[in-house]
Parts: sequence; structure tokens; C-alpha cells
Amino acid sequence: DQQVKQNSPSLSVQEGRISILNCDYTNSMFDYFLWYKKYPAEGPTFLISISSIKDKNEDGRFTVFLNKSAKHLSLHIVPSQPGDSAVYFCAARNNAGNMLTFGGGTRLMVKP
Amino acid sequence: KAGVTQTPRYLIKTRGQQVTLSCSPISGHRSVSWYQQTPGQGLQFLFEYFSETQRNKGNFPGRFSGRQFSNSRSEMNVSTLELGDSALYLCASSFDRPGTEAFFGQGTRLTVV
Repeated sequence: DQQVKQNSPSLSVQEGRISILNCDYTNSMFDYFLWYKKYPAEGPTFLISISSIKDKNEDGRFTVFLNKSAKHLSLHIVPSQPGDSAVYFCAARNNAGNMLTFGGGTRLMVKP
Repeated sequence: KAGVTQTPRYLIKTRGQQVTLSCSPISGHRSVSWYQQTPGQGLQFLFEYFSETQRNKGNFPGRFSGRQFSNSRSEMNVSTLELGDSALYLCASSFDRPGTEAFFGQGTRLTVV
């Protein structure tokens, strides 16, 4: 079963506008959530994270929101830039070590 | 500060052979995890090592194994390679405390022919 889901395989946004990437999870034991950006044939690059005791974390243009009751998190990128075009993965971790469970990814395309 | 280093970057092997991949974590990181990325299955967890002990294991056959050395460097081994083992293998390292991120290496692209 897919414990972490990213239901939108792709998203297209105009430069300067907001990009919103969504992620849903089912496992209540997850206590830490991370977003990664990935280019083909490269390793994921860490973007931002959030603990389950918070509902928002902000870092520059990136903000992650967590809604625990809905088991939903989202990544907001404002303003979006063409260099943000990549595949974005959300990942979740429980307290039994550092194992990450990944969503299937969302390909973001930011058009100039 | 050096990042996570994986070697080799690319590898071509024949069915039935075995392969060993190497990962050097960020200095000070004692937790090392391995992941497999394929187009059909996405990013899947293989195993995690901490202090030379396997702490977590994903749902992969016994042909996939790993180990960690006292300097936290890790290797993973795949025996009796199958065509379906062709994938990008990623290593991630992290501190072992709550609320810390995992940082990934560039990966090893394994092609089995």
C-alpha cells in the first residue's frame, strides 16, 4: 500500500506565480516530513522539512504546511522561477530510525 | 563540507553477476540508508545502517545486502543480478536524532544487460 501519495504527476505554473505541490499520507506514526527536489540521474536535494508538532515552516521562497487531521501536507513556492522546474518528492519518516517513505513525485514546470 | 559520495557513478553488469556499490557519508553522520529508484516503482527504501548494524530493512529479496564500516562508510551488494535490478541506487546520510534531514549522494546508475 502507498503510505505517501502525490496525486498530481505534473504541474505547470507561470514564472512569478505560486506553485502548490500536495502530498497525502496514511500512516499516523509519521512524525517528520521532508520535501526534496530532483533532477534526472541525480540524487534528491533537500529543500525543507517540518515536524509533526508544527503546522508551518518557512525558508525563503519555500513554505511547507502540515494538516495532521487531514494527513496532508503541501509545499508552496513563491514566486516560482524557471530554475524550480524539476521533480519534487515528499517523504515521511517515523521514529523508528531514518527510513524515508517517498511519494511518487510531481513534475513541476515553470514557464518563463 | 563534503557531501555524500557514491562510487562508481555508472556501472554496466551482465545478468548473473554481482555488484558492490560504495557510499561515504557526510562527516559526522552515522546513519546511512540506501534507496532504489526505478521508473515504475519510484524511490524505494532498501536498508538503513547505524553504528555498523542494520537497523531497518525494506521489502527487497536477500540478494540485496549491505554493510557499514566503523568509519560509517557503507557498501551495498547485489548478487545474481537480474535485468530488473537496473536502477539508480541512492545513498543518504544523516545524524541520528529527531528532526534532522537526510542528504543524498549523486547515485550510482546500474545497468544490467
